[in-house]
Amino acid sequence: GAVVSQHPSRVICKSGTSVKIECRSLDFQATTMFWYRQFPKQSLMLMATSNEGSKATYEQGVEKDKFLINHASLTLSTLTVTSAHPEDSSFYICSARSSLVTEAFFGQGTRLTVV
Amino acid sequence: GQNIDQPTEMTATEGAIVQINCTYQTSGFNGLFWYQQHAGEAPTFLSYNVLDGLEEKGRFSSFLSRSKGYSYLLLKELQMKDSASYLCAVMDSNYQLIWGAGTKLIIKP
Repeated sequence: GAVVSQHPSRVICKSGTSVKIECRSLDFQATTMFWYRQFPKQSLMLMATSNEGSKATYEQGVEKDKFLINHASLTLSTLTVTSAHPEDSSFYICSARSSLVTEAFFGQGTRLTVV
Repeated sequence: GQNIDQPTEMTATEGAIVQINCTYQTSGFNGLFWYQQHAGEAPTFLSYNVLDGLEEKGRFSSFLSRSKGYSYLLLKELQMKDSASYLCAVMDSNYQLIWGAGTKLIIKP
């Protein structure tokens, strides 16, 4: 299957700082990228959907000014958690899909811990 | 509203067969996916069904009945490494994935 690379896999940051997470599709053009967060023992929660070159569409309850998403190219999307707080600690996962296939492929996930 | 139901947890024995069910109610249907997720890792794709019937892939098979809003994932010859959560997801009319909460599968020797 297609490869989606997410970086970093783990990050610890201080409260009030910002963290950027990258999601790259390595062997296909990702026309759509999805960002999820997952709390322990819970299902994936979709945060936002982004199409290349367009502004991201955020799910209800997700603060767009806090979770900045950029999808400037067909192979890269970034999620920046601004002014992070301990309650933002979670597992963040991206997935990417091209217009040619139906299934989405996931990055490895990023474990964010805010101290 | 949109809803995906699957059991929270199942236990099975190594070498046996287990069936994980998923029922759904969504606005439109563009396919059903099964993903496997090991603890602390991202999900990995297992199967995709868009037409009724059974799709077989090695030890894993997935079945779909669109009229019943029902799917199952069948795992044969269970191995310890199959211990994981199995997520059912339906793609709705807007091509968005609606996720179930996942079924934690515990394999015992």
